[in-house]
Amino acid sequence: ETGVTQSPTHLIKTRGQQVTLRCSSQSGHNTVSWYQQALGQGPQFIFQYYREEENGRGNFPPRFSGLQFPNYSSELNVNALELDDSALYLCASSPRTSGREQFFGPGTRLTVL
Amino acid sequence: AQSVTQPDIHITVSEGASLELRCNYSYGATPYLFWYVQSPGQGLQLLLKYFSGDTLVQGIKGFEAEFKRSQSSFNLRKPSVHWSDAAEYFCAVGGGYGGSQGNLIFGKGTKLSVKP
Repeated sequence: ETGVTQSPTHLIKTRGQQVTLRCSSQSGHNTVSWYQQALGQGPQFIFQYYREEENGRGNFPPRFSGLQFPNYSSELNVNALELDDSALYLCASSPRTSGREQFFGPGTRLTVL
Repeated sequence: AQSVTQPDIHITVSEGASLELRCNYSYGATPYLFWYVQSPGQGLQLLLKYFSGDTLVQGIKGFEAEFKRSQSSFNLRKPSVHWSDAAEYFCAVGGGYGGSQGNLIFGKGTKLSVKP
């Protein structure tokens, strides 16, 4: 059974650019959630996708957007990057939309210069 | 408001000593409670979870946690710490289905250092 995978591992961008992060969910999981973890902080919920629709959103601006595909994989897009967007971005998959049984990938480290 | 508090930012224990990491939560409904561990530069690994039933739950790597509803606490314990347990530990609370309840709310974490 393959776990949650994310790509790329690391990414360096400059302020104002756009970035796309990718996530493949664990086999059998139809729900994907994205979290932002700033240095020294706990993860913060960005949004969740279920059946290719956004199914809940945290306190993040609209320049954070996402997609979910028919195979349940997902993308996180961030436009107009700001320095404060530098963080570890974690993807988690789960077999249902409840706030439990979430399995995390290794994350993508984004640095904005 | 829903929140998780981990009062200890950094704890140092000697190898072989016992460990207790504190977690307090604020949640309007019956919570689902979790402890995750994160090694440097890595993702989160689930140590244990509480949904209902027995308030003392066993997890991986010899960890256990006790849910105390009256104290809104879910403290993590281990009787004898190993050097490989050095990492950051996150307590999280989740609930319901979908929408804003479909996510996990994390504490800020407790960094554990282990002295030889």
